[in-house]
Amino acid sequence: DAGITQSPRHKVTETGTPVTLRCHQTENHRYMYWYRQDPGHGLRLIHYSYGVKDTDKGEVSDGYSVSRSKTEDFLLTLESATSSQTSVYFCAISSHNEQFFGPGTRLTVL
Amino acid sequence: GIQVEQSPPDLILQEGANSTLRCNFSDSVNNLQWFHQNPWGQLINLFYIPSGTKQNGRLSATTVATERYSLLYISSSQTTDSGVYFCAVSPKTSYDKVIFGPGTSLSVIP
Repeated sequence: DAGITQSPRHKVTETGTPVTLRCHQTENHRYMYWYRQDPGHGLRLIHYSYGVKDTDKGEVSDGYSVSRSKTEDFLLTLESATSSQTSVYFCAISSHNEQFFGPGTRLTVL
Repeated sequence: GIQVEQSPPDLILQEGANSTLRCNFSDSVNNLQWFHQNPWGQLINLFYIPSGTKQNGRLSATTVATERYSLLYISSSQTTDSGVYFCAVSPKTSYDKVIFGPGTSLSVIP
């Protein structure tokens, strides 16, 4: 257990509303990641962080922003949610080059 | 960028049968991991295996980095092995990132 929690675990929202997902870790890992998982696409990297205030884009970063003001928290924000952002979102940490995943957040945008 | 392929895409096994899952990648990698996603959506680490062979119970994995492939062996399959198996790699050119293959969906029937 890598001590990763995600909140909320489920969310339903409407198109155009802002949404923030939170990933929290308890073990002071430097690297944190956000992925989305969709049928037919596997897991795709959205953004990742390699330290406080240090972030970079992944494969599918359009429409998403991230922030990391504390080591333990990595936030994913959808500024104006769209139906195409309906997905399951996973947070991960990297420990000694090995990734460990949180339980996921199921987001539905109506 | 690096391409990750997995085969077969789908597999149905009778309980007790053995199977081999394959992961091919198009460029040199620093890291390679195998994950199992169970029917409840949880991502479970199976192996961290950038090269060589490892075994854990009924599962074993081999990575031949010079030939850009990895194999996951499942012996004496059980219904609890059902789910999706993912291979994930970190390219040498961008070691911070992790790229997932599309997965192999395994169903083990009694």
